[in-house]
Parts: sequence; C-alpha cells; structure tokens
Amino acid sequence: SAVISQKPSRDICQRGTSLTIQCQVDSQVTMMFWYRQQPGQSLTLIATANQGSEATYESGFVIDKFPISRPNLTFSTLTVSNMSPEDSSIYLCSVDGHGQGITEAFFGQGTRLTVV
Amino acid sequence: AQTVTQSQPEMSVQEAETVTLSCTYDTSENNYYLFWYKQPPSRQMILVIRQEAYKQQNATENRFSVNFQKAAKSFSLKISDSQLGDTAMYFCAFMKRFGGGQGFSFIFGKGTRLLVKP
Repeated sequence: SAVISQKPSRDICQRGTSLTIQCQVDSQVTMMFWYRQQPGQSLTLIATANQGSEATYESGFVIDKFPISRPNLTFSTLTVSNMSPEDSSIYLCSVDGHGQGITEAFFGQGTRLTVV
Repeated sequence: AQTVTQSQPEMSVQEAETVTLSCTYDTSENNYYLFWYKQPPSRQMILVIRQEAYKQQNATENRFSVNFQKAAKSFSLKISDSQLGDTAMYFCAFMKRFGGGQGFSFIFGKGTRLLVKP
C-alpha cells in the first residue's frame, strides 16, 4: 500500500491569494493525481502529474490557475491561485498502486479549503 | 468516454440490517476494474471492495459484497449487518489502465450518502 501525507489539512484564505498544498508519499510512484471535491459532490480529476514532465490537465482546469510541481517520485504540490469563493472545496492527492502491482488508488486525507 | 452513475443520492438503514447501493456504468472497454470506495466524515477515502471485469464471480469482503452484471453494466454494493461505522459517502469507481501500461485512471460516480441508524 501507499501512505500519503497531505498538508495543510484545512485552511481559510482570503480571495485573491494563493495556497499551495503538499502531498508526500512513502514510496516512489510514477503518477500522482490531484482531485477536487466540491461540497457534497464527487471527485473531479484536476490533473495528472508525472515526475520530470509537465502535468496533464483535464478539461476545465488550466495550469495558470492550478500550477503543479512534481520535483521527485515521492512529492508533489498543487497551488490554487488567485482564489475566489468558488474554489472552496476539498482537494485530494492520490496515487495508484501500479508500481507495486496493486490495482487500487490511495488517497491523502484531503485539504479542506475555504475562501472568504 | 466512460461514465459512472449512482442514482441514489442518500440512503438510510437500521443498524444490523442489509442495504444495497446501486451503480451503473458505461464503457466500451473489455478489461477494467470496478471499485467501491467509502469516505467517512474524516474525508479519508477507503477502499471497500474491488471487482475485476474478467471475473464472473462476485467479490466479497466480510460484510460487503457486490452484484456484478457485466452485460447490464451494473455493479451494486450490498452491506450486510450494517454498523454505525458504515455511515459514510460511498463512491462507485471505474478504473482502466493508461495506454502503455503507465498506470490507472479512475472515474467516480457522484456518490451515495449512507446513514446507519441505531
């Protein structure tokens, strides 16, 4: 399995500011995934981050708004830029067990972001 | 494109009773996996059960079992002897491998909020 440490666990931010969320995995993984979960909703994939290359963004998400770093095989950050109240959501980091031969997704505990 | 549909936004069940959560999906893939994940108030996503599409036998994990109907593209979750700790949001998910075997991609349903009543 993979243990994922995500921080901060929650934050309240002023509109117009930016927040960087960190995701640390206890093993090396090829791909890391960032999801957004709006209140009472399902998980929507924001982007997929491979080490050493640009992240791949899903439709409706752009790099200027959600820049992602992936400096090594165990770490990634997601920045929510120029925040507005509509960005208030839970943001989840995830990895798959592909590298360990495990057919499963593992998740961090999420970051609850409130923009005021 | 794959889609996952959970038609029950909320359900409730009495403690010790049985409840079934519904999930349907659409895909043209032949090899894929289906999952049920649980998200309690702590927000931690927890794998409940997994089903490989090529297996006809329904997966079972203790009190949790699935009814997998591949032709009908249906994948329901049955929780037996419901416990208070089962109260959570339940997500049905479809997984397929990336091309080139680089990893997996997941698509989640909208979720069903389950309340287990004492």
